[in-house]
Amino acid sequence: EPEVTQTPSHQVTQMGQEVILRCVPISNHLYFYWYRQILGQKVEFLVSFYNNEISEKSEIFDDQFSVERPDGSNFTLKIRSTKLEDSAMYFCASSAGGPGYTFGSGTRLTVV
Amino acid sequence: AQSVTQLGSHVSVSEGALVLLRCNYSSSVPPYLFWYVQYPNQGLQLLLKYTSAATLVKGINGFEAEFKKSETSFHLTKPSAHMSDAAEYFCAVSAGSNYQLIWGAGTKLIIKP
Repeated sequence: EPEVTQTPSHQVTQMGQEVILRCVPISNHLYFYWYRQILGQKVEFLVSFYNNEISEKSEIFDDQFSVERPDGSNFTLKIRSTKLEDSAMYFCASSAGGPGYTFGSGTRLTVV
Repeated sequence: AQSVTQLGSHVSVSEGALVLLRCNYSSSVPPYLFWYVQYPNQGLQLLLKYTSAATLVKGINGFEAEFKKSETSFHLTKPSAHMSDAAEYFCAVSAGSNYQLIWGAGTKLIIKP
């Protein structure tokens, strides 16, 4: 069964450093998403991406965040200058369109 | 605006007993509703989804959920719990033209031997 692949599974970074979280969506999918889950809290929508541009973003997705599809397979989330409160599990998801999509197994980001 | 409320952060049932996880939603438009399961240290796996077809939706691993518009509910059930069902379960409603998901807080299902 096709999978969404996220790397790394766990990343530890120092406050103020830039991090890039990587995702390989399912190959024929056109819609891509990032969500995050701070420990003990709800899963939160960050951003959706379609046709090489952001289609929607939440209030969380401020200027510190950016997304990119640098080639035909990868979809990345960059956090420019990490803060302690960015520590969370970050999930990538993709879909062919319509409701419901496939999630990756997540990247646990720890900012120290 | 859409929202999701899951009643009970933890639910404990005996192996073989009925599982009932509650989810109520609020939506200004006809909703799409989902249940996801998250096993420890793993990602979010889709259990089932309601997309305006049959109100009783069957999912993987013997789970099902019934959409009740009058009660704004989408409760998840399984007739007989198995130890392998121990996980956290999330209810979500789809919102917006990009189908972004609005999530409940999750319910941790504990199975007693």
